[in-house]
Amino acid sequence: NAGVTQTPKFRVLKTGQSMTLLCAQDMNHEYMYWYRQDPGMGLRLIHYSVGEGTTAKGEVPDGYNVSRLKKQNFLLGLESAAPSQTSVYFCASSFGNQPQHFGDGTRLSIL
Amino acid sequence: AQSVTQLGSHVSVSEGALVLLRCNYSSSVPPYLFWYVQYPNQGLQLLLKYTTGATLVKGINGFEAEFKKSETSFHLTKPSAHMSDAAEYFCAVFDQTGANNLFFGTGTRLTVIP
Repeated sequence: NAGVTQTPKFRVLKTGQSMTLLCAQDMNHEYMYWYRQDPGMGLRLIHYSVGEGTTAKGEVPDGYNVSRLKKQNFLLGLESAAPSQTSVYFCASSFGNQPQHFGDGTRLSIL
Repeated sequence: AQSVTQLGSHVSVSEGALVLLRCNYSSSVPPYLFWYVQYPNQGLQLLLKYTTGATLVKGINGFEAEFKKSETSFHLTKPSAHMSDAAEYFCAVFDQTGANNLFFGTGTRLTVIP
């Protein structure tokens, strides 16, 4: 029972580098989400997808891009990493208004 | 617009004591409310949810929450704290306006003192 799997679990980048975070879910969920978690701020929505081939901006989308080429995968890209993007990133998935299932997170540090 | 406020970023209780974590919400529509728990270095796990119906909701690990519309509250309680309850707890309201995402509170870290 994998649920939601995030890859990688940890990463350190230098300012200006690019990278892609991968989220995979095996529950056939339509909806997928990317959040970032920062101390004292809870989780904030970056981008989300309501189905294969669709994406939309959330609360804090600047500096990130996403793609949902396959229903089970949701990729989060940083084209030019900045120190302000140091955070813990969580992917989640759900059926519509049902509770979201979360991955274990990716800890990203930008130096 | 929907939002959530959690009062108290840190709460400490003695083992065996009552746990009370406060959550107030703002919503222009009847809310769907959730409590999630996050253990260190892990993702969020659903504790309980309120959508419609009974206002007292029971969740996992002995937690429960009561939806009070008149107070716009959804406080989380547990009669007797256990050491294993030490974690961070997040209250969230479901966005029913189209995005179907969750608006989270800033979290409350629960410490249980032996």
